[in-house]
Amino acid sequence: GAVVSQHPSRVICKSGTSVKIECRSLDFQATTMFWYRQFPKQSLMLMATSNEGSKATYEQGVEKDKFLINHASLTLSTLTVTSAHPEDSSFYICSAPPPLGGEGIDTQYFGPGTRLTVL
Amino acid sequence: AQSVSQHNHHVILSEAASLELGCNYSYGGTVNLFWYVQYPGQHLQLLLKYFSGDPLVKGIKGFEAEFIKSKFSFNLRKPSVQWSDTAEYFCAVNAYGNNRLAFGKGNQVVVIP
Repeated sequence: GAVVSQHPSRVICKSGTSVKIECRSLDFQATTMFWYRQFPKQSLMLMATSNEGSKATYEQGVEKDKFLINHASLTLSTLTVTSAHPEDSSFYICSAPPPLGGEGIDTQYFGPGTRLTVL
Repeated sequence: AQSVSQHNHHVILSEAASLELGCNYSYGGTVNLFWYVQYPGQHLQLLLKYFSGDPLVKGIKGFEAEFIKSKFSFNLRKPSVQWSDTAEYFCAVNAYGNNRLAFGKGNQVVVIP
């Protein structure tokens, strides 16, 4: 099946700094990608929909200025956590729908996730 | 908006035992239903999905799930588990034609050899 990668897999940063997480579709183009956040023993929470060539769509309660999303190309979306604080520590996961002719609409391929720890 | 509930977050069972994980959702319209599995250290993988048709869906690795519309449920089953089924299992739902997924909290399943 299609592969989605994330980089880095783990990052530790100091409070107040910004961290960029990349999500790439390796063998297909994705005009849409999704960013999720997962707290320990909690479900994945959809944060935003990343749209290639236009602004991201954020879910209710997610700060746009805090979590900057840029869908730079058909294979790359980036999530930047700005002025990170310890409460932003979490597991961030991206996903992308499969290419046309793949497993059909409404399914998604998930990246391996990025563990962010803010000290 | 859709919401998904999964009960019994931690499940421990022996090899060859049967497994059933409950999933209930709340949404008034047409939905697509999914079960994803996350093996230790790996990314989420699709186990099975229901879009329409036969409400009994068969997935990979011997798993199956049954959509019961009247109960808003999509329970996952496997008749005989193996040690390699140790993983976290997530139920998810989206509204038909909308890729935005809502996930349940997951079930941590541990199979003892």
